[in-house]
Amino acid sequence: SYVLSQPPSVSVAPGRPAAISCGGDNIGEKSVHWYHQKPGQAPILLIYFDSDRPSGIAERFSGSNSGNTATLTISRVEAGDEADYYCQVWDSSTNHWVFGGGTKLTVL
Amino acid sequence: QVQLVESGGGLVKPGGSVRLSCAASGFIFSDSYMSWIRQAPGKGLEWISYISRTGTIYYADSVKGRFVISRDNAKNSVSLQMNSLRAGDTATYYCAKVDGKRLVYFEHWGQGALVIVSS
Repeated sequence: SYVLSQPPSVSVAPGRPAAISCGGDNIGEKSVHWYHQKPGQAPILLIYFDSDRPSGIAERFSGSNSGNTATLTISRVEAGDEADYYCQVWDSSTNHWVFGGGTKLTVL
Repeated sequence: QVQLVESGGGLVKPGGSVRLSCAASGFIFSDSYMSWIRQAPGKGLEWISYISRTGTIYYADSVKGRFVISRDNAKNSVSLQMNSLRAGDTATYYCAKVDGKRLVYFEHWGQGALVIVSS
C-alpha cells in the first residue's frame, strides 16, 4: 500500500515561513491534499490538488508537489497556525485514501 | 452551508457492536460521495470506508469484514455499523464528504463521534 511520510514536528517563529514536507514514491504523479486540525476540532481542508485553496483559506498557505516530495508552505506563520497538518492522496491501485502521519506545527 | 453531524458513539465492550450515523445537510445528499475516517486518541487520521452515490463501497483492510457502511438518501444520512469491536478501534470517527468531481479528497468533515472499546 502507498505510504506517506511527514516529519512529526516543525517549529517556527512568528512571521517566519514554515514548510511541511510529505514524502511518497513518485508522489509528484499524484494529487496531494492537505488538512489542518487544531486541538479538539475536526480536520479542515487546507489545500487540494497540490496547490488549490478552498474559499476562506488564507493566501499565506500554498502547496507544491514534485518528484518524491510534496510541500505545504506557510509564508508568514501566525500563532493561530499552531495545529497538526496532514497530507493525503488517493491510491488508485487500491481505491484507498491515504494520510500521512501528521506534522505538529509549533509557533515559538 | 454544509453540515455533517455524527451520532451514536459511546462505550462498548470488546466483541460488541455499535452503529454510527451522520446526518447531512446543505447539499444534495443523493448526489454525494461519503466516507468515514477515524483518529485514535493522540494519533493520526485513518480512512476506513467510502460509499458512492450509486452504492460502490470500499473499506480499509483494518475494518473489512467487520464494519459495514450504508446510506439512506431519503434521510440524508450515512451510517457505519461496527461489529466485532476491538480495543484498537477506539477512536473519534469522522464523517466526511468526498469531493464530487475527482473523488480524491475530503471537502467537509463532521465534528466526530467518540467510540471507546473497553471492558
